[in-house]
This record gives sequence, C-alpha cells and structure tokens, in this order.
Amino acid sequence: DTEVTQTPKHLVMGMTNKKSLKCEQHMGHRAMYWYKQKAKKPPELMFVYSYEKLSINESVPSRFSPECPNSSLLNLHLHALQPEDSALYLCASSRQGGLGTRTDTQYFGPGTRLTVL
Amino acid sequence: GENVEQHPSTLSVQEGDSAVIKCTYSDSASNYFPWYKQELGKGPQLIIDIRSNVGEKKDQRIAVTLNKTAKHFSLHITETQPEDSAVYFCATLQAAGNKLTFGGGTRVLVKP
Repeated sequence: DTEVTQTPKHLVMGMTNKKSLKCEQHMGHRAMYWYKQKAKKPPELMFVYSYEKLSINESVPSRFSPECPNSSLLNLHLHALQPEDSALYLCASSRQGGLGTRTDTQYFGPGTRLTVL
Repeated sequence: GENVEQHPSTLSVQEGDSAVIKCTYSDSASNYFPWYKQELGKGPQLIIDIRSNVGEKKDQRIAVTLNKTAKHFSLHITETQPEDSAVYFCATLQAAGNKLTFGGGTRVLVKP
C-alpha cells in the first residue's frame, strides 16, 4: 500500500482566517513533504520533515507553518494568506528522506485545492 | 543547483501510436529518475523510475531509458490509450538527497 491521504480535499478561506491542512501515511515512512503546485506548473517543494524534524524550509513565508506531530502525520497551518497562495497543496512521503546514500521514492497524496478570497 | 528540462510541453498522439518524452538534467550527482503521471484534479502518481546503475527499465507499455553520459532520460509509452491522457513530469534526485527537481511537464492527449 502506497497511500498518502490528505484532508480536506477543497478549502476556501478568507485572508484573515486560520486553517490547517492534514496529511497522513501508514507506510512507516520517516520523511514527509509539503509541495505547492500552481496550475500548469510542476510541484514546488516547501518543507521537508525527516524523522519528525524539519530538515528543509525552502524560504517559505511565515504565514505557512508546518508541524509534524508524529511519524505518520503532517500538518500545514495557514494564517493571513494572500490570494496568490491559492494552489494545490500536495503532501508526499518517502521511506528515509535521503539519509545515507539511499535515494527513496516519494509518494504523493491527492492534494488539497486551496482558494484564498 | 539542478536544472531539468522536459520536451515537448504538449504531445498529441493517435490511439495506438507511441509517445516519447525527453528530459535533460544538469547535475551529474543525480542518480534517481522517477516519472510521475498527474491526472486532472489528482496528485502525481509514480509510474516508473530508474536508478543510475541501469540503462533501461520496462513495465508493460511503459519504458524509461537513461544516458548518464549525455545526462538525459526518456519515457516511452507504446500502444497509447485514451486513459494515458494526462500531464507527465520527469524528476531527478541526488544521492543522499530528498529534494526532487521536476521538469516543466508534458501534457499528453491521446485521440481515440
């Protein structure tokens, strides 16, 4: 089973709202990722958690706040977003997250379609 | 940093014909090359991947070839079917890394 689940599927929020996106995997993977994808573009990496610790932050604005409560869960807290933040937010996971010399396959969830009004 | 270029950006083929998508990369440290298929409204799904110690890999109608010397790799889809219509992304990953670098994507349309 290579399933990554994400909730909600769709989210509409105002610029003053606070909301959270959730991601879950039960494959025993120890690396989890957040990507942002705009229409007709490839996914762009935002954050990487490896063994529940933030290992990469791709200079993402502080209005996006990631959290990894345990090895199976990944959250993305949203606050004071702008309309240009509207996009498909994808979660992914991989077995080890690049430790040692191994390169691991990343499996993506279905995404959350976010609209900021 | 790594740069991945993908061509063509759109590809229209007749059902039953073959489709070929090509990617070139810049970082010789890249050693893992996945291909993802993304259907409308869905997340990218891994369809095939290849590691740098292999030159070719095949899975039913899909094959990937890798030329490490020339730094390019290609996706081949034979006997295309309407359900192959989607956006395809190539990507690269460096040894001991976890940051995928994606190509720009190819929109494939298979006409019945």
